[in-house]
Amino acid sequence: AQSVSQHNHHVILSEAASLELGCNYSYGGTVNLFWYVQYPGQHLQLLLKYFSGDPLVKGIKGFEAEFIKSKFSFNLRKPSVQWSDTAEYFCAVTISGTYKYIFGTGTRLKVLA
Amino acid sequence: DTAVSQTPKYLVTQMGNDKSIKCEQNLGHDTMYWYKQDSKKFLKIMFSYNNKELIINETVPNRFSPKSPDKAHLNLHINSLELGDSAVYFCASSPLSSTGSPLHFGNGTRLTVT
Repeated sequence: AQSVSQHNHHVILSEAASLELGCNYSYGGTVNLFWYVQYPGQHLQLLLKYFSGDPLVKGIKGFEAEFIKSKFSFNLRKPSVQWSDTAEYFCAVTISGTYKYIFGTGTRLKVLA
Repeated sequence: DTAVSQTPKYLVTQMGNDKSIKCEQNLGHDTMYWYKQDSKKFLKIMFSYNNKELIINETVPNRFSPKSPDKAHLNLHINSLELGDSAVYFCASSPLSSTGSPLHFGNGTRLTVT
């Protein structure tokens, strides 16, 4: 069965530190990839998405992610985090031709002011 | 205007009761979903409807019954509520035209079963 793994469950950083959150998926075919953010008490919002083309995608709020097909990875990065980035981050995958969005278990990021 | 709206936002009820959660989207999307987010924040898909037709039905107890009166609405009815049903339930929608389209989520319904 297809799955999405997020290896970092909890990450604590100081403001201005760089961030990289890992995401790996298990499926050999064509996929679409997403990162969502969930701020405390809120719903999930789209940060960025990859469909095709340039494997380095830029999203909102200074986030970017790189799709590395050979590693089945789609890691999220931000060069300098802010206190307001404290949230839960979810990686998600859809397999082309299906409507099923599979989410990772999430990474809780806490940024210390 | 809220794109995907769910009601109620909070729902506290006792074991054994029957309750419903409503979801409406005004985005013109054809596909709607119900997800359950547990206390560890894990998101699990429950159901999906495409233009009123059930297309995804994960392993969910048959106490849970979705209903889609039209493509803009997807309601979730839960019979004989159990303690383990306590969670946040998110409704989401996406366009039919591309399976690569992102999901648009509602604000969630926090269900507490006592």
